[in-house]
Amino acid sequence: GAGVSQSPRYKVAKRGQDVALRCDPISGHVSLFWYQQALGQGPEFLTYFQNEAQLDKSGLPSDRFFAERPEGSVSTLKIQRTQQEDSAVYLCASSSGTVTEAFFGQGTRLTVV
Amino acid sequence: SQELEQSPQSLIVQEGKNLTINCTSSKTLYGLYWYKQKYGEGLIFLMMLQKGGEEKSHEKITAKLDEKKQQSSLHITASQPSHAGIYLCGASPGEGAQKLVFGQGTRLTINP
Repeated sequence: GAGVSQSPRYKVAKRGQDVALRCDPISGHVSLFWYQQALGQGPEFLTYFQNEAQLDKSGLPSDRFFAERPEGSVSTLKIQRTQQEDSAVYLCASSSGTVTEAFFGQGTRLTVV
Repeated sequence: SQELEQSPQSLIVQEGKNLTINCTSSKTLYGLYWYKQKYGEGLIFLMMLQKGGEEKSHEKITAKLDEKKQQSSLHITASQPSHAGIYLCGASPGEGAQKLVFGQGTRLTINP
C-alpha cells in the first residue's frame, strides 16, 4: 500500500475485554513502532521492532500489553483485560531504518467503557 | 529521562499573521523532529534538525535548532487555514536511539 494502514480505525471495548489492533507497515520497511496517545497529549513510545525482533518494549505500560510481528511485516498490538485508562489513540509508524524516515498511520482510537 | 516542553499549548491567530511555537528540552537533543497532526489522523513529518544552529524551511514553515541543541522553534509566516492543526516536536532520547520522545503538542487555530 501507499502508506501505513491501521485497523480498525475505531474500537469500543467493554472493560475486561481483550482487543487486537493491527498495523500494516509500508512494504519493505524494517522498523516498526507503536505509540500511545492520550487525549490532549503527545504520543508516548510503547515498543519497537526491527523486522520480527522486538528490540525495545520498555514503553509497554503493563503485562496486559503485548505486541508481535511474527513475519517481519504486519504487527499486532494486543491488550488483555482492557481498563478505562487504556482509552487512547494507538499509532503505528514504520521506517526504512532511521527514525527520521518514520511514516505514521492514522491510528486506532480505542475507547474502553 | 528526557522531557520536551512546548509553548504555547494553544494558539489562535488571524489568517495572514506570523507565529512561533517553541520546544525546549531538559537534555541535549540528538535529533529534533517536527510533526503536524490533524484531529483524528496520524502524524505528518515536517522537518528534522540535528546540528546546533541548523535552520530548515519548507514553504512558509521554518524550523531552527539553537546552538546548545536544547531548544527549537517553528515559525510560520503569513499563516493560512491549511496550517491549522496540532504541532508536535519529538526528539531522540540518545544518540542512535530509535524511539522518539514527544512534547505535549501545540494546537494552532487560524481564524479567517
